[in-house]
Amino acid sequence: QVQVVESGGGVVQPGTSLRLSCAASGFTLTNHDMHWVRQVPGKGLEWLTAISHGTSNKYYAQSVRGRFTISRDSSKNTLYLEMNSLRAEDTAVYYCAQQYLALDNWGQGTLVTVSS
Amino acid sequence: QSVLTQPPSVSAAPGQKVTISCSGSNSNVGNNNVDWYQQLPGTAPKLLIYADNKRPSGIPDRFSGSKSGTSATLGITGLQTGDEADYYCGAWDSSLDVGVFGGGTKLTVL
Repeated sequence: QVQVVESGGGVVQPGTSLRLSCAASGFTLTNHDMHWVRQVPGKGLEWLTAISHGTSNKYYAQSVRGRFTISRDSSKNTLYLEMNSLRAEDTAVYYCAQQYLALDNWGQGTLVTVSS
Repeated sequence: QSVLTQPPSVSAAPGQKVTISCSGSNSNVGNNNVDWYQQLPGTAPKLLIYADNKRPSGIPDRFSGSKSGTSATLGITGLQTGDEADYYCGAWDSSLDVGVFGGGTKLTVL
């Protein structure tokens, strides 16, 4: 059963860092492009970043470029999102998603709240 | 302001048909696959349509997708109360090398 499970969310202060994890099961992470998408509660989806399966090319939305970093650990079959210099506007539910046909498999999301 | 433009809301009666539009540009909708996602209240998005008009396994044929130029459309026939959800279109933008979503459309089945 293909599944991704996010973790690592919580309440943090502005300017600090946080690392989210996305544990994959039922498939090999490195065989798929993987994405992070976030959603401010009550608002729409915002694509953040992706890592390609073969070349490990990384792509970032302008809103997070230079602050967020996507990476993966093949030995742990886990995707990461390192978030630095967090701002109040980064408060959202963060989803990871596996790309197969499109963004086929999404996790349940992890809530990040940036507040002093 | 989303790169892809969707109507904020649509509504129709049970059993009826509804369409949701998604407008973009040549760098995204016009030259890349458009996908549609359904997000039921309190849940993660779910892939509904991929590559403009294809349905993943398990998605009923009441859901359909089409595209013409820089606009795509999601159609839902035989509306059910369980279809009440937010619907998002998504695509890759080749000029910016980023993923883009529409702002989402809330479907109400009256």
